[in-house]
Amino acid sequence: DVKVTQSSRYLVKRTGEKVFLECVQDMDHENMFWYRQDPGLGLRLIYFSYDVKMKEKGDIPEGYSVSREKKERFSLILESASTNQTSMYLCASSYASGNQPQHFGDGTRLSIL
Amino acid sequence: AQSVTQLDSQVPVFEEAPVELRCNYSSSVSVYLFWYVQYPNQGLQLLLKYLSGSTLVESINGFEAEFNKSQTSFHLRKPSVHISDTAEYFCAVSDWRSGGYQKVTFGTGTKLQVIP
Repeated sequence: DVKVTQSSRYLVKRTGEKVFLECVQDMDHENMFWYRQDPGLGLRLIYFSYDVKMKEKGDIPEGYSVSREKKERFSLILESASTNQTSMYLCASSYASGNQPQHFGDGTRLSIL
Repeated sequence: AQSVTQLDSQVPVFEEAPVELRCNYSSSVSVYLFWYVQYPNQGLQLLLKYLSGSTLVESINGFEAEFNKSQTSFHLRKPSVHISDTAEYFCAVSDWRSGGYQKVTFGTGTKLQVIP
């Protein structure tokens, strides 16, 4: 069974901390995505990666960075966490020919205090 | 720029009744359209998609959606819902362009609550 695994389901951090969210997929997908999900706003794309070491900014990249050193792993980094980054974060992946995200992880609910 | 509107944030419906979840989009070019479902405490799953060809697309669990270009709509329907269909449903649109990454824009979601 195909799988996208996010390292934490729940995470609590303090303002100003550097936060790492990890995502691993086992489907050999080229594309990987990071979204944040907020009530009433749906999903908003933070960053997208179409290959190792390649990345594109999404709609809301401010305050975030990403790293893709290996094909199966895509990390989201909050450089200096702030309370307005409290949210649900979803990782997703797809084949290169499938531009829409196809498989999602179960999400990380991040609280910044 | 493309956009997606899901007018209904919540839709309550009795078990075995029919349901329609509405989705309208705007785009200046040809589009791909998608419906995703999110069950409680889970990530999203791709439910069905329209890329080209027949305007009526179906999922394996009885949902269907019809692409209507003149009304710029892609409503999701099911003739008889089950308790297990209780979830949040997201409509999404992707512009068709040649080459490059085609960004997918999600709607704000509709929570379907099936009442026993």
